[in-house]
Amino acid sequence: DAEITQSPRHKITETGRQVTLACHQTWNHNNMFWYRQDLGHGLRLIHYSYGVQDTNKGEVSDGYSVSRSNTEDLPLTLESAASSQTSVYFCASSESVDRGYTFGSGTRLTVV
Amino acid sequence: GIQVEQSPPDLILQEGANSTLRCNFSDSVNNLQWFHQNPWGQLINLFYIPSGTKQNGRLSATTVATERYSLLYISSSQTTDSGVYFCAVDSGTYKYIFGTGTRLKVLA
Repeated sequence: DAEITQSPRHKITETGRQVTLACHQTWNHNNMFWYRQDLGHGLRLIHYSYGVQDTNKGEVSDGYSVSRSNTEDLPLTLESAASSQTSVYFCASSESVDRGYTFGSGTRLTVV
Repeated sequence: GIQVEQSPPDLILQEGANSTLRCNFSDSVNNLQWFHQNPWGQLINLFYIPSGTKQNGRLSATTVATERYSLLYISSSQTTDSGVYFCAVDSGTYKYIFGTGTRLKVLA
């Protein structure tokens, strides 16, 4: 069965370190998204991609980057982790506008 | 940008009760989705509903785009319905903006 997987599920890192969160989908979806979830804020869009070599900034993109070298993967990199980036990160993919999103299980990141 | 407000923020029900969750948005939208986040954190798409009414079992949703709101109905609630319900809207750029959710607890 097709799926979307995130790894790791949990990570603790130190302030200033570079961290990469993985997102891999086997749906062959062109559209992929990264969100962060924080109490009181719901989900906020970090970056998104509509296809290979396409990346775009969302509303909270500062301190994050993504790359899209193939259809299946959209890794999210925190260039220099900060305590404010402690959050739960969700990756999503979608085939088309009228099919909605499929979310991964999330990565809980703690920056100490 | 578009503002999305959900109400009520919290809701406690006895098993078997019905409920209505509301999503108001501040501007015209092209797309709208409802999600359920279960107590383990998994986000599940319930409905893609930019307009009209859809039903799936005990859940149904209605969006009145011209009046900028959507409603999610849960009938005969079960404890497994507990979690947080999110509404997300998109104005045509295919970037969804999420509301802050309605936290539902269904008591046995």
